Amino acid sequence: LAKTTQPISMDSYEGQEVNITCSHNNIATNDYITWYQQFPSQGPRFIIQGYKTKVTNEVASLFIPADRKSSTLSLPRVSLSDTAVYYCLVGDHNAGNMLTFGGGTRLMVKP
Amino acid sequence: GAVVSQHPSWVICKSGTSVKIECRSLDFQATTMFWYRQFPKQSLMLMATSNEGSKATYEQGVEKDKFLINHASLTLSTLTVTSAHPEDSSFYICSAPSDYGYTFGSGTRLTVV
Repeated sequence: LAKTTQPISMDSYEGQEVNITCSHNNIATNDYITWYQQFPSQGPRFIIQGYKTKVTNEVASLFIPADRKSSTLSLPRVSLSDTAVYYCLVGDHNAGNMLTFGGGTRLMVKP
Repeated sequence: GAVVSQHPSWVICKSGTSVKIECRSLDFQATTMFWYRQFPKQSLMLMATSNEGSKATYEQGVEKDKFLINHASLTLSTLTVTSAHPEDSSFYICSAPSDYGYTFGSGTRLTVV
């Protein structure tokens, strides 16, 4: 199972771009990289998923280098409501493999 | 997209009683359901994996007789915490893989008094 490593916490200010990097050195060929956001007392919420290169949606971008051993979640112009824990997860949902959560990154957005 | 509905969202029970948590996949068939537990300020820890039609597999250290898992159909999986004690108080979350990735329930806050 691919293990992930992320910074424990990050601070930012409203309107700034936030980049959170995750390392997953033993990612498998069929694994996808997915980022989730979790607020207190809520289940994790899907943010973005990718396999390689760059993926962008309405809330974030995901950058994945060619070797796929790391990934970077980019949140443009964060707001106070983006304060949450962000988890980087690696797994093959098509195979139904379980996800192992790392510690996540606690993002604090300040006014 | 895929949706997993989890109920109840919170429950308070007396020590020694049992509590059932349900997770339903609303618009897809969940042949597999993962059950996680999360203590305050900690990450999610996998407790067990349920598969429709077969026995659940439990992670090391998780008592299968205490945390009963039933995967009755392709859309319903349940976790029953039997003879609950205060140390079982936690946030329980289910998750199922789908064509869109992994979908999580909204979680159940269990408080045992």
